[in-house]
Amino acid sequence: DTGVSQDPRHKITKRGQNVTFRCDPISEHNRLYWYRQTLGQGPEFLTYFQNEAQLEKSRLLSDRFSAERPKGSFSTLEIQRTEQGDSAMYLCASSSGLLSAFFGQGTRLTVV
Amino acid sequence: AQRVTQPEKLLSVFKGAPVELKCNYSYSGSPELFWYVQYSRQRLQLLLRHISRESIKGFTADLNKGETSFHLKKPFAQEEDSAMYYCALKSGANSKLTFGKGITLSVRP
Repeated sequence: DTGVSQDPRHKITKRGQNVTFRCDPISEHNRLYWYRQTLGQGPEFLTYFQNEAQLEKSRLLSDRFSAERPKGSFSTLEIQRTEQGDSAMYLCASSSGLLSAFFGQGTRLTVV
Repeated sequence: AQRVTQPEKLLSVFKGAPVELKCNYSYSGSPELFWYVQYSRQRLQLLLRHISRESIKGFTADLNKGETSFHLKKPFAQEEDSAMYYCALKSGANSKLTFGKGITLSVRP
């Protein structure tokens, strides 16, 4: 599968622990997005990278959240001191130029 | 601020019946609208975008700026159309997407 890849697919963690998710975009795509989706809602924008630069962050992204995209390739999303409200599906998407965004299969986080 | 509204959560129809999935938007700029579809156990994927004016899998959607709507239509539903459908609006220089809450389409045999 040469699409957007996310790892892990599922993560269960105890409240207060830190978690890190990885996204590998389609190789020639310079734009990378993170979204969060909770039950009954559509995906909500979290942050955007163009190459290695993080150009936009949603106010949904509290200071416990940090994202990186070193070298403009894969990206990581870290959540520190997880809370039950962080339980959600975390989606990564990539695009380039005028192309529409392609989505990964997501990482489902459950905080217990 | 931009907003996408999908007023219904579920639409259930029989095979062969017409389908219309509603989407309304609010945006001060020039809108670019999309429909994304998520089949069971699959990733979110693009169904169609208004600027291409394509018909994909028999679905069409017309942007109506006067009514600020982008409803998705299909004249004859098929069982394989059963899925979750999301309307989305692209905005800003960073081209982020704002999604509606989605609607589940169930096509019964």
